[in-house]
Order: sequence, then structure tokens, then C-alpha cells
Amino acid sequence: NAGVTQTPKFRILKIGQSMTLQCAQDMNHNYMYWYRQDPGMGLKLIYYSVGAGITDKGEVPNGYNVSRSTTEDFPLRLELAAPSQTSVYFCASKPGPPRGNQPQHFGDGTRLSIL
Amino acid sequence: AQTVTQSQPEMSVQEAETVTLSCTYDTSESNYYLFWYKQPPSRQMILVIRQEAYKQQNATENRFSVNFQKAAKSFSLKISDSQLGDTAMYFCAFMSQGGSEKLVFGKGTKLTVNP
Repeated sequence: NAGVTQTPKFRILKIGQSMTLQCAQDMNHNYMYWYRQDPGMGLKLIYYSVGAGITDKGEVPNGYNVSRSTTEDFPLRLELAAPSQTSVYFCASKPGPPRGNQPQHFGDGTRLSIL
Repeated sequence: AQTVTQSQPEMSVQEAETVTLSCTYDTSESNYYLFWYKQPPSRQMILVIRQEAYKQQNATENRFSVNFQKAAKSFSLKISDSQLGDTAMYFCAFMSQGGSEKLVFGKGTKLTVNP
């Protein structure tokens, strides 16, 4: 039972570099989410997707892009990394309706440092 | 927009005692869900308990229970017989019914269980 798998677990980037955070789930969930967690704070939503080919912005989307070409995968792209993007990134998934009351399942997170 | 407030940044409790973590939220919706997530030092996000707003009965999961006061928009978590393994950050989260079903998190309460 893999659940939600995030790679890498840890990465250091230089300012201006780009990278893709990978997220995959094997539960056939329609809904997927990317959150970031800054020190001492709760999680904030970056982007979400309610199905393959459908994505939308969350609370803090600037500096990020996503795509959802399959049900299983939801990669998060950072273009021109900035120190303000230093954070822990969590991917999550859940079933969509009619099972909307089901909770989100989280990956183990990716710790990203921009230096 | 919904907001979630956790007014206790840090709390401590002695092993085997009971502790209550506070959470208030603001919403104009009548149908929604509330969750408590636990984040141990391993960084995983672990679902502790959930409550459907349409249910008057408070949810219970073993040593964890909630006091849900819909009119007061309050959702506290009670941990009975505290164990050392309960040491973690605890996040209260709100989810609207329908739409994106995204989670809105509070800033968290750091709970330490002392031997």
C-alpha cells in the first residue's frame, strides 16, 4: 500500500534554478493537492486538481506551475527558485464525490531549501 | 473565506493525564467537515479524528475525542491518558462540502507529553 509518494524527500537548490517535485498516488483518487508548510505555520494550498486535465490555483500559487495528465501523477514545477520558496511541500489526495467526506491522504513531504 | 484559529501555540501535559487543544473557525457555510491532524517530528501528516458538521454527536476515536460546538464555531480536541507518542504538532483543519474540498489549516499547537 504505497498511498501518496513524493520524491525527492530533500533537495537544495540555488537561486534561479528550476525543479519538479513529483507526486504519485495509487488509490485512484480524483482530487489532488499541493501544500507548503513554512516554519511554525500550518499548511497553505498552492494548487489543486479535481481530475486529469483540470487544475486550479490555491492560496499561494505564485512561482509555481502544475499539470495533471494522468489520475495518478500531479507534479509541481518551480521556475526560477527564490529563497521565499524554502519550505516543506506536501502532496495530498482524496476521493471526489460522492465520497467527498473522506479525508485527504498526505505524502511524507519534500523539504526544499533555496540558497 | 474560511479561517481557522488555534490560540495555543504550545502546551504540555504529564503522561497519563488529559489535555484539551482549542480550535475556532469562521465560516458562513452550514455543511462542512472538521479535522484534527497530528504531525510528529517525522513530519508525516496523520489524521486523528474528523467531524461532520451535520452530526450533533461528538466524534470519538479511542483516547481522542472532540467537543464540537457548531453555534460557537468551536472544535476542541481532548486527549485522554496522554502517552509519550502523542508528542507532536496538532493542526485543526476545515473543509467545505463540495467544490475543491481543500483543507484550511490553523497554525498548529505544539504538544509535549512529559514522563
